[in-house]
Amino acid sequence: DARVTQTPRHKVTEMGQEVTMRCQPILGHNTVFWYRQTMMQGLELLAYFRNRAPLDDSGMPKDRFSAEMPDATLATLKIQPSEPRDSAVYFCASGLLDRPNQPQHFGDGTRLSIL
Amino acid sequence: DQQVKQNSPSLSVQEGRISILNCDYTNSMFDYFLWYKKYPAEGPTFLISISSIKDKNEDGRFTVFLNKSAKHLSLHIVPSQPGDSAVYFCAAKGLSQGGSEKLVFGKGMKLTVNP
Repeated sequence: DARVTQTPRHKVTEMGQEVTMRCQPILGHNTVFWYRQTMMQGLELLAYFRNRAPLDDSGMPKDRFSAEMPDATLATLKIQPSEPRDSAVYFCASGLLDRPNQPQHFGDGTRLSIL
Repeated sequence: DQQVKQNSPSLSVQEGRISILNCDYTNSMFDYFLWYKKYPAEGPTFLISISSIKDKNEDGRFTVFLNKSAKHLSLHIVPSQPGDSAVYFCAAKGLSQGGSEKLVFGKGMKLTVNP
């Protein structure tokens, strides 16, 4: 089965460092989502792209977070500078949303710890 | 303000019995509902969905029921198997989310099926 691939799976770094998380969506999928999971807030949508164009990043703190899709096979989520409150599991999901109500397929996440 | 609520954090059932997982929502503009299953250290996996024009959708051992007047949906698993032990997330979407593909998730419920 095709899967969404996320790297790294785990990242531990010190406060103030830049963090880059990568996502390879399922080949042929046209929509990519970034989610963050925390104990307090659960799963929250940060941003999503359709055909590599950003459609919505309203869930993302703009001052330190940025999301891009340099090509159809790579999506990135960057945090600079990182803070301890950014510690969470970050999930990427993709979907072939060529018609309504198609499910999103998730990667296994990047577990981020900011010390 | 949580728009999708899974009020019970956990459920334990015996193998072979029925598992009933509940979900409530507050936004009447939601028109599509999904259930995802998540194992530890993995991403959520799509399980089953239902459109607001239906009140029931069945797929093998899994059935989702929707009660729009009560803004309530439930997932029934019968018979339950130990491999069903996981965290289950309810999710919803609708045009009111500013984009038809934005999912709003509940905080999840941990199901344990005992042999």
